[in-house]
Amino acid sequence: GENVEQHPSTLSVQEGDSAVIKCTYSDSASNYFPWYKQELGKRPQLIIDIRSNVGEKKDQRIAVTLNKTAKHFSLHITETQPEDSAVYFCAASIGTEAGNKLTFGGGTRVLVKP
Amino acid sequence: ETGVTQTPRHLVMGMTNKKSLKCEQHLGHNAMYWYKQSAKKPLELMFVYNFKEQTENNSVPSRFSPECPNSSHLFLHLHTLQPEDSALYLCASSRYLSSYEQYFGPGTRLTVT
Repeated sequence: GENVEQHPSTLSVQEGDSAVIKCTYSDSASNYFPWYKQELGKRPQLIIDIRSNVGEKKDQRIAVTLNKTAKHFSLHITETQPEDSAVYFCAASIGTEAGNKLTFGGGTRVLVKP
Repeated sequence: ETGVTQTPRHLVMGMTNKKSLKCEQHLGHNAMYWYKQSAKKPLELMFVYNFKEQTENNSVPSRFSPECPNSSHLFLHLHTLQPEDSALYLCASSRYLSSYEQYFGPGTRLTVT
């Protein structure tokens, strides 16, 4: 089955700096890669996703890149703010009509220091 | 946020107790999921339901018993749990089984003593 590795497990950055989180996946058939943000005590929420026919996607201060050949994808947060502090999870799935089973990475705890 | 709700939010139970977790979604979705989130481990998919029918059991021990009476409600019945079952149990839903985005509930923090 699919295996997703996520690094680093913790990341501390100064406010205004950039943060980068990297994930690798094992199943080359995976075609959907979402990123979820989970603030302390709250539910995971989808913040951005990318599909395998796209190499990069950007939404304001966050962007995701995908390298299908190397089977890795990354989340980039620019101009970090204290409210970006949270745990971020990457995931990969093989989306079919029969289902979209997400396999999650271990999470990255991001701390943005004011 | 009221899209996906879960009750109770916190639960402490002994190993011999029987309890149930409840999830309700108000989004008109047809697929529902149970996940387990343990400390320092990835989110683990437990069960998937599509139009009330179970489509996936991810090798979950029988002491966890799911029930989906309709597309809006999902239960997780618990009995004779072990301390290592202590975790945050998250419910999620998606419009269809093939839909990409899943919407999570706030979770039930379970402690087994």
